Amino acid sequence: NAGVTQTPKFQVLKTGQSMTLQCAQDMNHNSMYWYRQDPGMGLRLIYYSASEGTTDKGEVPNGYNVSRLNKREFSLRLESAAPSQTSVYFCASSEAGGHQPQHFGDGTRLSIL
Amino acid sequence: AQSVTQLGSHVSVSEGALVLLRCNYSSSVPPYLFWYVQYPNQGLQLLLKYTSAATLVKGINGFEAEFKKSETSFHLTKPSAHMSDAAEYFCAVSDGGGYQKVTFGTGTKLQVIP
Repeated sequence: NAGVTQTPKFQVLKTGQSMTLQCAQDMNHNSMYWYRQDPGMGLRLIYYSASEGTTDKGEVPNGYNVSRLNKREFSLRLESAAPSQTSVYFCASSEAGGHQPQHFGDGTRLSIL
Repeated sequence: AQSVTQLGSHVSVSEGALVLLRCNYSSSVPPYLFWYVQYPNQGLQLLLKYTSAATLVKGINGFEAEFKKSETSFHLTKPSAHMSDAAEYFCAVSDGGGYQKVTFGTGTKLQVIP
C-alpha cells in the first residue's frame, strides 16, 4: 500500500517554463489537496478537490491550475513558473466527511531560477 | 478567522526528558485541533486530533495533547523524549467547515540531545 505518491521528487525550472506535478493515491479517498510549504510559514492550501470532477481554490491559487483526472489522481500545473513559486509542494488526501488531511505524500522540491 | 500560534520555532530537550510543544489557537467557533509530525524529507503525519470529545487526546508514538478552552491552548506533550522524536511538529485548527478549512501553524522543530 503506497499511500500518496508524488512525482517528481525534485525539479529545477527556469522562469517562464511550465510543468505539472503529479499525485496519485491508492486509498480510495474522495478528497485530495495541494499545499505549498515555505520556511516559517507552515502549509498553505493551493487547491483542493472534494470529489472526482470537482476542484476549488484554496488560500494561494494564483499561478496554479489543477486537474482531478480521476478518483486516484490530482495534478498541479504551473503554466509560467516564477521564482516566488520556489517551494516544497505536498499532495494530501482524506476520506469523505473528514475534518482534516490524513495522508501526505513525501513532497516535490521545486526550484525556479 | 481562525489561527494557531506555535510558541518557539526550535525546542531542545534531553533524551528521557519531558517534551512540551506549545500551541494556542484562535477560533470564533468550537474548534477542531490537530497535531502533525514531519520527519526530514517526508510529508506530514497526523499525530492526534481533538474533535470535541475528550479533552485529553492520546496519539501515536506516546504523544498526547490537552484541550484547554479557558487558555485557548492545545499543547503537545510526551513524558520521555526519544531520539526518534526529533522532527518538526505542526499544530493546526479547523472551524469544522470542512477539511479545506484547516489552518496550519508555522511549526516547531524538536531537537533531542543524547
